Amino acid sequence: KAGVTQTPRYLIKTRGQQVTLSCSPISGHRSVSWYQQTPGQGLQFLFEYFSETQRNKGNFPGRFSGRQFSNSRSEMNVSTLELGDSALYLCASSLYLDPLSYNEQFFGPGTRLTVL
Amino acid sequence: KQEVTQIPAALSVPEGENLVLNCSFTDSAIYNLQWFRQDPGKGLTSLLLIQSSQREQTSGRLNASLDKSSGRSTLYIAASQPGDSATYLCAVRPREAGTALIFGKGTTLSVSS
Repeated sequence: KAGVTQTPRYLIKTRGQQVTLSCSPISGHRSVSWYQQTPGQGLQFLFEYFSETQRNKGNFPGRFSGRQFSNSRSEMNVSTLELGDSALYLCASSLYLDPLSYNEQFFGPGTRLTVL
Repeated sequence: KQEVTQIPAALSVPEGENLVLNCSFTDSAIYNLQWFRQDPGKGLTSLLLIQSSQREQTSGRLNASLDKSSGRSTLYIAASQPGDSATYLCAVRPREAGTALIFGKGTTLSVSS
């Protein structure tokens, strides 16, 4: 079974531009979440989707947005890029949203975003 | 607010040693705790998931324990190998609404041959 895939793997943008990152979950997984990883802050939660609905949102500015499609694929968008947005963006998928269920999170390889 | 701490930040051991990585969390109201491995520049690989009702989980040379009341988890690695060199992260899923996984900063393990 194929794992979580993320595209593109690497991106270089300049300040003020916008960017869209894509995540395809493991087949059959309906929950997708996004995280930002930086050397200083570590891994921080961005948002979580289940059945096309945003269920949880982390403490990030409104420039960060996301969505999930009917096939469970997800995209996140960052508008008006800032230097501090340079990070590894990781997507994770799981079978169920209900955390009372066995809800192991599987991560993709990430998208490395560099903002110049 | 839930906080996850991993000590030490870095650890170097010779091949063959058994070792323990520590993870502590401030709020025992969690659904589960998950251990991950991350190689440089790569994504996270899930190692073990422990539900809040469980005490431990085992996979091969890895054993993870959970003491929810004291807010602690340990990852035991038996007979370490150079291929175990990586950063190990623990994460909890809090019961409070509005968030998914909360991660520690990780322990970077180096196993020398």
